[in-house]
Amino acid sequence: SQQGEEDPQALSIQEGENATMNCSYKTSINNLQWYRQNSGRGLVHLILIRSNEREKHSGRLRVTLDTSKKSSSLLITASRAADTASYFCATSDYGNNRLAFGKGNQVVVIP
Amino acid sequence: EPEVTQTPSHQVTQMGQEVILRCVPISNHLYFYWYRQILGQKVEFLVSFYNNEISEKSEIFDDQFSVERPDGSNFTLKIRSTKLEDSAMYFCASRARRGSSYNEQFFGPGTRLTVL
Repeated sequence: SQQGEEDPQALSIQEGENATMNCSYKTSINNLQWYRQNSGRGLVHLILIRSNEREKHSGRLRVTLDTSKKSSSLLITASRAADTASYFCATSDYGNNRLAFGKGNQVVVIP
Repeated sequence: EPEVTQTPSHQVTQMGQEVILRCVPISNHLYFYWYRQILGQKVEFLVSFYNNEISEKSEIFDDQFSVERPDGSNFTLKIRSTKLEDSAMYFCASRARRGSSYNEQFFGPGTRLTVL
């Protein structure tokens, strides 16, 4: 089964800087979604990119998808202290709708 | 904006007891899911539900687990005899049948289950 896997790095950046995190997966996907989770809280849907899309923007978020490399990146521009959270990618394939989550990237934005 | 809600936010139970976790999905959504997240680990898929039946389940979802949609709004997860390793955050999610965001799963805030 496909599996989203983030690069196992924790980011600590200054407010105003950009934050980039990556995700790789193993099998064919229908779409890839990014979620944010504040400490101990629920998952907030950020953005979905379909397998036939290469780049997508939503506000300060930019997501890329490279299906040949089976990888995706999430860029948060002009970060704010409120962006401090864990960020997960999750993939689903064509056969079912279950989401396969990665381990998450912890991002700390220092005011 | 419509959202998924879950109750209770925190449930403490003794090992061997039954628990029922409740979810109210977004009202026009037709696909429902349960996931869990053990502390410090990945979010794991448990089960999906559509048209009043389970459409898919993971290896985690054994005979101790069951799901139900008892009325038009609630979606429940029951654990018959809880084990220590069932301690986790349980998330409910729902998805629309059609529309521009039909692939997106929207998650509730979670129920933290602690088994003592």
